[in-house]
Amino acid sequence: DTAVSQTPKYLVTQMGNDKSIKCEQNLGHDTMYWYKQDSKKFLKIMFSYNNKELIINETVPNRFSPKSPDKAHLNLHINSLELGDSAVYFCASSRDMNTGELFFGEGSRLTVL
Amino acid sequence: AQSVTQLDSQVPVFEEAPVELRCNYSSSVSVYLFWYVQYPNQGLQLLLKYLSGSTLVKGINGFEAEFNKSQTSFHLRKPSVHISDTAEYFCAVKDHSGAGSYQLTFGKGTKLSVIP
Repeated sequence: DTAVSQTPKYLVTQMGNDKSIKCEQNLGHDTMYWYKQDSKKFLKIMFSYNNKELIINETVPNRFSPKSPDKAHLNLHINSLELGDSAVYFCASSRDMNTGELFFGEGSRLTVL
Repeated sequence: AQSVTQLDSQVPVFEEAPVELRCNYSSSVSVYLFWYVQYPNQGLQLLLKYLSGSTLVKGINGFEAEFNKSQTSFHLRKPSVHISDTAEYFCAVKDHSGAGSYQLTFGKGTKLSVIP
């Protein structure tokens, strides 16, 4: 069983479209994250939820909206996609919000044309 | 605020040679330190961590790192690299004072390329 799984793995879409990426963890962790990795491999935290409560909300366009229906799931919805949104998006989880030991999914590569 | 500087963006090294990947951090509070590895087309995985205690920590795949508080460094080393070590390596720092951010701050990464 994959510990942190995200779907889809690849996403190719046109500018202006809306898309979602889903993430699920089966580790029983309390905290989940979304990271964006650009073409230079730079990792930027976007959001973090702890027990379904938003605890980190970095400066990202409000076109990005996370949603955590329960503590095992954290989805990312993106409205009105732009070229600059092209990146690999990683979901991660951790036992709690105080640990730095994160478990990452394999990433979702988003390409906006 | 905390920050991480990985001094080398790329490190080429011959197979079976030793390697050191450098990491310096900046923080006004106590920190935990981590190294993560990202193999091509995969997510990151934890290589090793320093929380407290011995300043020399050992991780998976023969890697080790040494925490040096006076130099605010946490360099990663391996005495003999293998082709399979080719990957991107990320140093990361987390405030554990309880008064700071919950955020894990990553460095910009070092691409290790092992040459046959």
